[in-house]
Amino acid sequence: GQQLNQNPQSMFIQEGEDVSMNCTSSSIFNTWLWYKQDPGEGPVLLIALYKAGELTSNGRLTAQFGITRKDSFLNISASIPSDVGIYFCAGPNAGGTSYGKLTFGQGTILTVHP
Amino acid sequence: GAVVSQHPSRVICKSGTSVKIECRSLDFQATTMFWYRQFPKQSLMLMATSNEGSKATYEQGVEKDKFLINHASLTLSTLTVTSAHPEDSSFYICSASSGQYNQPQHFGDGTRLSIL
Repeated sequence: GQQLNQNPQSMFIQEGEDVSMNCTSSSIFNTWLWYKQDPGEGPVLLIALYKAGELTSNGRLTAQFGITRKDSFLNISASIPSDVGIYFCAGPNAGGTSYGKLTFGQGTILTVHP
Repeated sequence: GAVVSQHPSRVICKSGTSVKIECRSLDFQATTMFWYRQFPKQSLMLMATSNEGSKATYEQGVEKDKFLINHASLTLSTLTVTSAHPEDSSFYICSASSGQYNQPQHFGDGTRLSIL
């Protein structure tokens, strides 16, 4: 089946630093989704990408849909303590849509030191 | 934005008890709801896909008689963990989708199930 490889698995940074994480696949995805999960809560959608090459921002977050459609990255600028959590990339299963079954990356655990 | 409510947020019960978890879409009609299970510091594992008015589709390895899913209306799906045992302890999360083009699924806040 489809797999999403997410890197890095964990990050420990100082407040104010920029963060970059990525997701790669051997399969083509038509949609890339980035979610954040706070401890003890469900994932919250951060950014949705629908077109190859698309670059989308949401406040301090920026995500890009790779031109090959096999990768995506998420950047967080000027990190703050509330950025702590697990970040997941996700994409629809083969032939699917963003509202159907999703494949999730393994997650990037972000820790921000004040 | 789209809101999905999951209840209860936490359950602690004795082994052998059946536990029902509710997932509601509060401001949209959810043609499809998904149920996930998540172990600590791991990714979400899809258990089943629930479509309103039809039987749920279970992922390989998930026992349908153990995890009963009912999607009786466009705003409510329930997951019942029957005769729960300690190994069923986990974080269960639902998500809901309106089925509209480019409208990603939205997640509930999860239910922490602890079986003693």
